[in-house]
Amino acid sequence: AQSVTQLDSQVPVFEEAPVELRCNYSSSVSVYLFWYVQYPNQGLQLLLKYLSGSTLVKGINGFEAEFNKSQTSFHLRKPSVHISDTAEYFCAVRRGGSYIPTFGRGTSLIVHP
Amino acid sequence: DAGVTQSPTHLIKTRGQQVTLRCSPKSGHDTVSWYQQALGQGPQFIFQYYEEEERQRGNFPDRFSGHQFPNYSSELNVNALLLGDSALYLCASSWTGQDYEQYFGPGTRLTVT
Repeated sequence: AQSVTQLDSQVPVFEEAPVELRCNYSSSVSVYLFWYVQYPNQGLQLLLKYLSGSTLVKGINGFEAEFNKSQTSFHLRKPSVHISDTAEYFCAVRRGGSYIPTFGRGTSLIVHP
Repeated sequence: DAGVTQSPTHLIKTRGQQVTLRCSPKSGHDTVSWYQQALGQGPQFIFQYYEEEERQRGNFPDRFSGHQFPNYSSELNVNALLLGDSALYLCASSWTGQDYEQYFGPGTRLTVT
């Protein structure tokens, strides 16, 4: 079974600073990778996804992520965060041929003014 | 265009009771997936419905069952509720031609006392 590790449960950062949220997954022949954001009392919103092709993926709200197959990582980055980016972020992986995504436990991004 | 809607928003039940949660998918979507999100955890896949049948199931007991109707809406039923069933239940819809692109509803918060 797939597993996803989000290495930081909480990441505090000041507004306009860069941020990186880390995600590692257990190895598989082919995987699809996702990052979701969850604001308080809301469902999850897809930020970006990696299906194939270029290892650098750009998403919404200025976020991007890089797929690193050798390190089985898919870290999320943003060069300059806003207060409104404060939320819970989830990394998810789905093995090719399966409909079942496995989510990490989430990283709480806290942006301070 | 309405997104994914879920009802009710909140629910309080007693141990041993049964509960039904409802989900209407985003317009144009034909596939519905259900997730359980315990406090402080990532979502866990319960099952997915397509063409009114359960297509794939996660690691959940038979107390969890579902149904999909001809209009693609779906219900999640949980029998013999346990305290550990207290969680946020999320519904996600997608189109089978792009089933990796899931849209989540705001969830139903179930509390079992």
